[in-house]
Amino acid sequence: DAGITQSPRHKVTETGTPVTLRCHQTENHRYMYWYRQDPGHGLRLIHYSYGVKDTDKGEVSDGYSVSRSKTEDFLLTLESATSSQTSVYFCAISGDRGGTGANVLTFGAGSRLTVL
Amino acid sequence: GQNIDQPTEMTATEGAIVQINCTYQTSGFNGLFWYQQHAGEAPTFLSYNVLDGLEEKGRFSSFLSRSKGYSYLLLKELQMKDSASYLCAGGGGGSYIPTFGRGTSLIVHP
Repeated sequence: DAGITQSPRHKVTETGTPVTLRCHQTENHRYMYWYRQDPGHGLRLIHYSYGVKDTDKGEVSDGYSVSRSKTEDFLLTLESATSSQTSVYFCAISGDRGGTGANVLTFGAGSRLTVL
Repeated sequence: GQNIDQPTEMTATEGAIVQINCTYQTSGFNGLFWYQQHAGEAPTFLSYNVLDGLEEKGRFSSFLSRSKGYSYLLLKELQMKDSASYLCAGGGGGSYIPTFGRGTSLIVHP
């Protein structure tokens, strides 16, 4: 199994509070991603990173920020959580694309966030 | 990103064959992925197609037609444990990051 862990796995918080989710990998992979998954929407990309201190926005980045100060860690922060951010958050990693050119993602177990 | 379309739900009988279809925009196409996701778990990689044709991996096969913007995942000899959501994902528009469809929930019944 790829070494990718997310914490916390479950969190309940109140509207307006800050929340940080952590993704930690032991694979030394260059690329890291944060997705959210909601019924009827599938997986949607929030932010991604292509190296230490190199990050970019995905399709649903409003209300979220990220940081990557080390190869191993990719943090997702909700500065002021809202009920619309109640979701399951998945971190994913990928390394070099190899001979096939495939960017295969390996996902963490997910973090279930409930904002009351 | 890609516009990925796949059926929401399918049902099938244990031991049967099921085909899950996926269509996508062909502009800037950069590979087509299938992932499996059991309820409450993370998605796991099943297959990748970048050239036309059928790729077979045991009971699972994936097909791609680039000219038609069409792919399917074929599951043979269905087992109860195949009950899961199957996610089609495509890279496109010059991006290496795949865009995911909404997933097809497959229910296998005895």
